[in-house]
Amino acid sequence: AQSVAQPEDQVNVAEGNPLTVKCTYSVSGNPYLFWYVQYPNRGLQFLLKYITGDNLVKGSYGFEAEFNKSQTSFHLKKPSALVSDSALYFCAVRDASSSNTGKLIFGQGTTLQVKP
Amino acid sequence: NAGVTQTPKFRILKIGQSMTLQCTQDMNHNYMYWYRQDPGMGLKLIYYSVGAGITDKGEVPNGYNVSRSTTEDFPLRLELAAPSQTSVYFCASSYVAASNQPQHFGDGTRLSIL
Repeated sequence: AQSVAQPEDQVNVAEGNPLTVKCTYSVSGNPYLFWYVQYPNRGLQFLLKYITGDNLVKGSYGFEAEFNKSQTSFHLKKPSALVSDSALYFCAVRDASSSNTGKLIFGQGTTLQVKP
Repeated sequence: NAGVTQTPKFRILKIGQSMTLQCTQDMNHNYMYWYRQDPGMGLKLIYYSVGAGITDKGEVPNGYNVSRSTTEDFPLRLELAAPSQTSVYFCASSYVAASNQPQHFGDGTRLSIL
């Protein structure tokens, strides 16, 4: 069965420091991987995706993510955190075999707290 | 371009009441989805639709119904509200042809059943 795990409920980082939000996945076929961000009282906003090709994917707001097939991971990173990055982050996976429905499986979310 | 619009934003229901959560999108997306979000649980898929007239169950469909009479609208119906349905509900849509396209989300409906 497909699944996504975000092992950390919360990540705390000081402003200006690099941040990493972890995600591991399990699918039967090739994965399509996504990161979304959710600000308070708002819907999810798309940050970036991995479909194929370069393992380092760049997205919105200076975020990037590294796909590692052998470790089945897709960690979200940013070289220098901002207080405004504080939000709830979701990793999601789509099995290539479910391409006719577009269904996503979401992780449980990680709260990122960036302190001044 | 409004994107995905959900109404109402907030609602309090009594046990046993019914209501419809509205969702409309103006991006001509064929695929639409309903999720519920509970604290620490991520998003769970309730129902989805791959086009007008076509709907199917997701992971947690019990207690809900949907219809899709037009491309734009995908309402979610709660027939007999139960406390377990207290949650935040999100509607999303995506473009039909490419499965690697991201889903676009509305801002949610916060529903409390008392």
